[in-house]
Amino acid sequence: DVKVTQSSRYLVKRTGEKVFLECVQDMDHENMFWYRQDPGLGLRLIYFSYDVKMKEKGDIPEGYSVSREKKERFSLILESASTNQTSMYLCASSLSGQETQYFGPGTRLLVL
Amino acid sequence: QKEVEQNSGPLSVPEGAIASLNCTYSDRGSQSFFWYRQYSGKSPELIMFIYSNGDKEDGRFTAQLNKASQYVSLLIRDSQPSDSATYLCAVNMLGFQKLVFGTGTRLLVSP
Repeated sequence: DVKVTQSSRYLVKRTGEKVFLECVQDMDHENMFWYRQDPGLGLRLIYFSYDVKMKEKGDIPEGYSVSREKKERFSLILESASTNQTSMYLCASSLSGQETQYFGPGTRLLVL
Repeated sequence: QKEVEQNSGPLSVPEGAIASLNCTYSDRGSQSFFWYRQYSGKSPELIMFIYSNGDKEDGRFTAQLNKASQYVSLLIRDSQPSDSATYLCAVNMLGFQKLVFGTGTRLLVSP
């Protein structure tokens, strides 16, 4: 079974803080993804990576950066958290772009 | 036009009925199609994928793909209250390393 884990289930941060969200997969998948999900807006892709050290912007990259130093690990960084980044953050991985994405449990982030 | 469109619902069906969920997509070159189920507060989980035109059955679930009409549907037979969730359609477009998700259809199955 594919396992995707995320570092925290719930996080509370202050405006202006730097926030790190970490995702680890154990199936040697090439592709990893970060989404945010907000009521009524569905899943929105922030960034994805198709190889180590490679990254591509998704639909809403502003205010975020990512890091993929190892194949199994993909980090999402909020450089200076703002209240409009309060959301559910979901990480996913897949063997390739055409194949099933497997999701982690999600991190619910609250920025005060 | 959105790339992947779903009716947001809610779609209400009685227990034991067939629930029919629909999804249309804009890119004719799309190659792989997925249905995910998402319970409130949880992450999406894969129900089925389909690559070829026609029907694909897995237990109470049937995915139907019609590439000429650019739609994919999910039928749930003998619907149960535990099927109440949001169902997300996702599509991979040719040459892209990602899936495009619809916003989901909320299904309510009443006992």
